Amino acid sequence: EIVLTQSPATLSLSPGERATLSCGASQSVNNNYLAWYQQKPGLPPRLLISDASNRATGIPDRFSGSGSGTDFTLTISRLEPEDFAVYYCQHYVTSPSTFGQGTKVEI
Amino acid sequence: EVQLLESGGGLVQPGGSLRLSCAASGLTFSSRAMSWVRQATGKGLEWVSSITASGDNTNYADSVKGRFTISRDNSKNTVYLQMNSLRVEDTAVYYCAKPNWNYRADWFDPWGQGTLVTVSS
Repeated sequence: EIVLTQSPATLSLSPGERATLSCGASQSVNNNYLAWYQQKPGLPPRLLISDASNRATGIPDRFSGSGSGTDFTLTISRLEPEDFAVYYCQHYVTSPSTFGQGTKVEI
Repeated sequence: EVQLLESGGGLVQPGGSLRLSCAASGLTFSSRAMSWVRQATGKGLEWVSSITASGDNTNYADSVKGRFTISRDNSKNTVYLQMNSLRVEDTAVYYCAKPNWNYRADWFDPWGQGTLVTVSS
């Protein structure tokens, strides 16, 4: 089973700042089969990025994903008030697909 | 727009059973795999189970294998999760989610709003 470790656990930033979230894998994520989700309190997760760098439909271009192998990054170029949430990475290389423990982006 | 609506959650005693339902709309349901993902309160996400479009193949997390059964009725555009021998640690919000294509492992979009299952005496 591939274990995903996200860092930091909490990121305290202000609107307009840049956010850099990391996701490390215990083994190589082949084909860059890695996704990122955003979750706000009381709501389901929302897909942001698939295949490490492909933005989902309707996702603003301030969100970008990068990385390969075992190290992946989600970058939010300029934080908007609505971006303060918890972010999860997920691999889908093989079953079981697993998620990281999440990074909370707070003001 | 694809919409997924879960129902069937509630309070159940340890060792009890519950059946969750997820009604789908806005997609050709019979052509798409479906999945369940859960989230304990204040915790992260855990994939639970997936089923192929036809229902011929299923996949389960080790934590629920032998206790949970996923099934579907394509005539009703509905996927189910039968949960038996429930444990306290099964307490979570259960989300219905559509995997991109591969029922064994894929990204999920969209997700339903979730239904809360509480296992407690």
